[in-house]
Amino acid sequence: DGGITQSPKYLFRKEGQNVTLSCEQNLNHDAMYWYRQDPGQGLRLIYYSQIVNDFQKGDIAEGYSVSREKKESFPLTVTSAQKNPTAFYLCASGGTENEKLFFGSGTQLSVL
Amino acid sequence: EDQVTQSPEALRLQEGESSSLNCSYTVSGLRGLFWYRQDPGKGPEFLFTLYSAGEEKEKERLKATLTKKESFLHITAPKPEDSATYLCAVKQGGTYKYIFGTGTRLKVLA
Repeated sequence: DGGITQSPKYLFRKEGQNVTLSCEQNLNHDAMYWYRQDPGQGLRLIYYSQIVNDFQKGDIAEGYSVSREKKESFPLTVTSAQKNPTAFYLCASGGTENEKLFFGSGTQLSVL
Repeated sequence: EDQVTQSPEALRLQEGESSSLNCSYTVSGLRGLFWYRQDPGKGPEFLFTLYSAGEEKEKERLKATLTKKESFLHITAPKPEDSATYLCAVKQGGTYKYIFGTGTRLKVLA
């Protein structure tokens, strides 16, 4: 089945630790996105990538990093510089411009 | 500034009690308005795309409409399984960015 796979579903981060969230898609989409969702707030854009080896900062990129070495993969690293990382993280992909986004099932990140 | 505002924040309905959710937007060069349904702990599920004022889309008990300033999601005779958060998003022209509203949490009581 075509879709977007996020892993893990739950992730715990210790103080000073970097953690990486995985996002893989087999929809052959060029564009991929990372959003952060906090209770009572809309989805906020962290990073997005329109093509392999290229990505742009979104509205809340500080404390996060990404890579796009393959079309299918867009991992997100939450660094120790992100002081409030507890949130629900969503990965999405899109085909041609102006089309809908397809979302993964999300990763809940919590701080120990 | 481009933004999307959804109202109400939360809505409780009795089963069969029809209502509407609102999505107001300001965006430079609208290239699409999208409605999603999100269940707790899951990713958003696509419902509709609207591209131009006057356009309407329907799916089961849901109907989405679009004007130049807002969109409505009409829910006719809702059932408890329609309980979810409904998200609205707009696509900015000339970019790959989508702007999301904060959502409407719908609870349908049996």
